[in-house]
Amino acid sequence: GESVGLHLPTLSVQEGDNSIINCAYSNSASDYFIWYKQESGKGPQFIIDIRSNMDKRQGQRVTVLLNKTVKHLSLQIAATQPGDSAVYFCAENSLRGYQKVTFGIGTKLQVIP
Amino acid sequence: DGGITQSPKYLFRKEGQNVTLSCEQNLNHDAMYWYRQDPGQGLRLIYYSQIVNDFQKGDIAEGYSVSREKKESFPLTVTSAQKNPTAFYLCASTPGWGRSNQPQHFGDGTRLSIL
Repeated sequence: GESVGLHLPTLSVQEGDNSIINCAYSNSASDYFIWYKQESGKGPQFIIDIRSNMDKRQGQRVTVLLNKTVKHLSLQIAATQPGDSAVYFCAENSLRGYQKVTFGIGTKLQVIP
Repeated sequence: DGGITQSPKYLFRKEGQNVTLSCEQNLNHDAMYWYRQDPGQGLRLIYYSQIVNDFQKGDIAEGYSVSREKKESFPLTVTSAQKNPTAFYLCASTPGWGRSNQPQHFGDGTRLSIL
């Protein structure tokens, strides 16, 4: 079946270091991918997205890489700060009669001061 | 600022009781969604609405009902038929329907527990 998953459920990084959060997806028809950040007790917030015709996209301190050959997505956070501590979800978006979004289970990022 | 407002933040349900979760958006978005979040699982779609007066079942609609009488409102009722309602419920919206390149905007959720 189709699924979106994450390799690491918990990631601890030192403040100032770079973080890399990985995600695997299985639906080769997916054409749009999104990373969300979810803080405790709140809803997911959009961080960055990428379309399937791209392999890299950069934002402020964040970069998303897409490898369609191995169906892999990653989120890189530069100079990780305590405020980056949260759960990060990748989401796969495809049109299947309706706008179907499949979410991964999330990776918890813990920033060590 | 535009956004999605969910209320209440915490809700408790008694045995055999129906409860309704509110979701209001002022983003002028056509499409709205309800998700359920459980520990160790990705968000699961309960119901979605493409436009006013229209809604469709998602992947786990049993025990839930919705209405979409106004563009800005998409309330979710958790009925007594839902035997395991304890979860974090998230409402979301997107500007339109049928395009796959839109991130969803989320509210801050309602946590439902059983008394």
